[in-house]
Amino acid sequence: DTGVSQDPRHKITKRGQNVTFRCDPISEHNRLYWYRQTLGQGPEFLTYFQNEAQLEKSRLLSDRFSAERPKGSFSTLEIQRTEQGDSAMYLCATAGTGSQPQHFGDGTRLSIL
Amino acid sequence: QKEVEQNSGPLSVPEGAIASLNCTYSDRGSQSFFWYRQYSGKSPELIMFIYSNGDKEDGRFTAQLNKASQYVSLLIRDSQPSDSATYLCAVNPSYNTDKLIFGTGTRLQVFP
Repeated sequence: DTGVSQDPRHKITKRGQNVTFRCDPISEHNRLYWYRQTLGQGPEFLTYFQNEAQLEKSRLLSDRFSAERPKGSFSTLEIQRTEQGDSAMYLCATAGTGSQPQHFGDGTRLSIL
Repeated sequence: QKEVEQNSGPLSVPEGAIASLNCTYSDRGSQSFFWYRQYSGKSPELIMFIYSNGDKEDGRFTAQLNKASQYVSLLIRDSQPSDSATYLCAVNPSYNTDKLIFGTGTRLQVFP
């Protein structure tokens, strides 16, 4: 499978715990995006990398959220001190150069107890 | 006003009919427009993208863009029950960003 890969698929954790999600892009896709989607809503942009550089962060992204993309390959999204409102599907999308469209991974569903 | 607006539906059409899904956007300078299909509990899947005014056809799908009216639509010909899903309209705004702004999606139901 050469699509966007996300791990884990599901994460259940207690409020206050830290969680980390991983995204492996389609090979040679240099652009990588994180989105969050809650029930009945479209995905909301969180942050964007071009290679290893984080070029944009949403104002939605509080200081509890951090994302990295070392070496411009896989990316991680960490949420510290999780809150009930963090429960959502976290989606990673990647794209090649130029105007190539974004392709999504299967997502990580986060549930906060 | 939301940046990307869609009717939430559900839009119900009989099998074999044409389904017409509509989307309006607020940023007049938007350049790129995308349609994603999302089955319940799954992630969005790219269906079509369009950058220029007019129609773009791919199999049973046609995307239509009218920048003057800030309107983009998706037509699905010969609708099948397997087309039943939520269709998300996404726009890349004109300002210096690569992100997508999504609508809330239109739920399509195709009944036999």
